[in-house]
Amino acid sequence: SQQGEEDPQALSIQEGENATMNCSYKTSINNLQWYRQNSGRGLVHLILIRSNEREKHSGRLRVTLDTSKKSSSLLITASRAADTASYFCASRPFSAGNNRKLIWGLGTSLAVNP
Amino acid sequence: EAGVTQFPSHSVIEKGQTVTLRCDPISGHDNLYWYRRVMGKEIKFLLHFVKESKQDESGMPNNRFLAERTGGTYSTLKVQPAELEDSGVYFCASSPRRITSGSLYEQYFGPGTRLTVT
Repeated sequence: SQQGEEDPQALSIQEGENATMNCSYKTSINNLQWYRQNSGRGLVHLILIRSNEREKHSGRLRVTLDTSKKSSSLLITASRAADTASYFCASRPFSAGNNRKLIWGLGTSLAVNP
Repeated sequence: EAGVTQFPSHSVIEKGQTVTLRCDPISGHDNLYWYRRVMGKEIKFLLHFVKESKQDESGMPNNRFLAERTGGTYSTLKVQPAELEDSGVYFCASSPRRITSGSLYEQYFGPGTRLTVT
């Protein structure tokens, strides 16, 4: 079954605007990560938030985590054309041992228009 | 430092044929992962190696898929015989054994291999 779901599936904004993407997951997690994928390229890690954290910042990125609602959001402020990419959330289910698999959302395709 | 590399970047094969995908992780990374994204669906975990050992292969779809990591360096993923539903992008990722400050389970991804089965 699909673990992560993201909305919106596609988002188109103007340069300078903020972009918000949401992600939900189903089971208890150890952490949640956001990745970006530019067309034809690999996935690039953006930011990680632990299950005991509520908010985290990295440059123009802000991630929130609500474990009671099993959801997370990624905010990109002052967007640039170079931010155009697909964004994925990936959760690491809480489990003992060395299990490190990630459960992924469908992704949000972001287009930032100059 | 070289990143994760995958070969080939694109493979087109006919149903019933065999294809072998290769992944070279970042040097020194003990953990190696395979993921797959079928068009229109989410990225799905296939398996996780720690060095040459399979730590978790719960995501392997069926016995037509065989992953190996002999010597604990590069890994191969063989699909035999390929079916139409195997089409998708296969991603490989690696991560270091020990969690270093700031990495916190970050996985480093390769560009993926796009497999098309016709």
